[in-house]
Amino acid sequence: EAQVTQNPRYLITVTGKKLTVTCSQNMNHEYMSWYRQDPGLGLRQIYYSMNVEVTDKGDVPEGYKVSRKEKRNFPLILESPSPNQTSLYFCASSQGRWSPLHFGNGTRLTVT
Amino acid sequence: SQQGEEDPQALSIQEGENATMNCSYKTSINNLQWYRQNSGRGLVHLILIRSNEREKHSGRLRVTLDTSKKSSSLLITASRAADTASYFCATDAVGSGNTGKLIFGQGTTLQVKP
Repeated sequence: EAQVTQNPRYLITVTGKKLTVTCSQNMNHEYMSWYRQDPGLGLRQIYYSMNVEVTDKGDVPEGYKVSRKEKRNFPLILESPSPNQTSLYFCASSQGRWSPLHFGNGTRLTVT
Repeated sequence: SQQGEEDPQALSIQEGENATMNCSYKTSINNLQWYRQNSGRGLVHLILIRSNEREKHSGRLRVTLDTSKKSSSLLITASRAADTASYFCATDAVGSGNTGKLIFGQGTTLQVKP
């Protein structure tokens, strides 16, 4: 089944404790992206990647890192999480930049 | 600022009725997409309409695009309880370069009562 898999689904952590949210897609998509969804602010792009080893900042990249060492994986790294990064995070992939996005089921992160 | 703005913010209808949601945007676009999100889950792509298209159908969905008014509408006909979800329009702005960034609206929350 074609899918984007994010892990974990729920994560509660404390300020400053490094964490990684994994994302993997099995559709051989070149384009991958991370979004965060917050009430009243909608979905905002954090980082995107057009292919292996090619990543760039989206609208709200501060406090986040990504890597794209393999085509299928696009992890989101929070080196020193802060409470303002409490949010619902989505990984998405597509065949190309302007193709429909396939979303993962989300990771609900709480930073205390 | 958000490119897409949906209207209404919330809509409640009876099963079998039609639901219409509207989306307005600010800048020229290459295409406009509609997505559905069930509570707390990932978004699911519904339909993509290109800037040179005026109307598109997919099953019970009908999307229109008016580039002169910078607006789009999503019509769900003969709604079902399973259509209860939030619906988002998303646009890619001309000139957004290589980002592939979609700008999402705030969404319309649709409740279909059985």
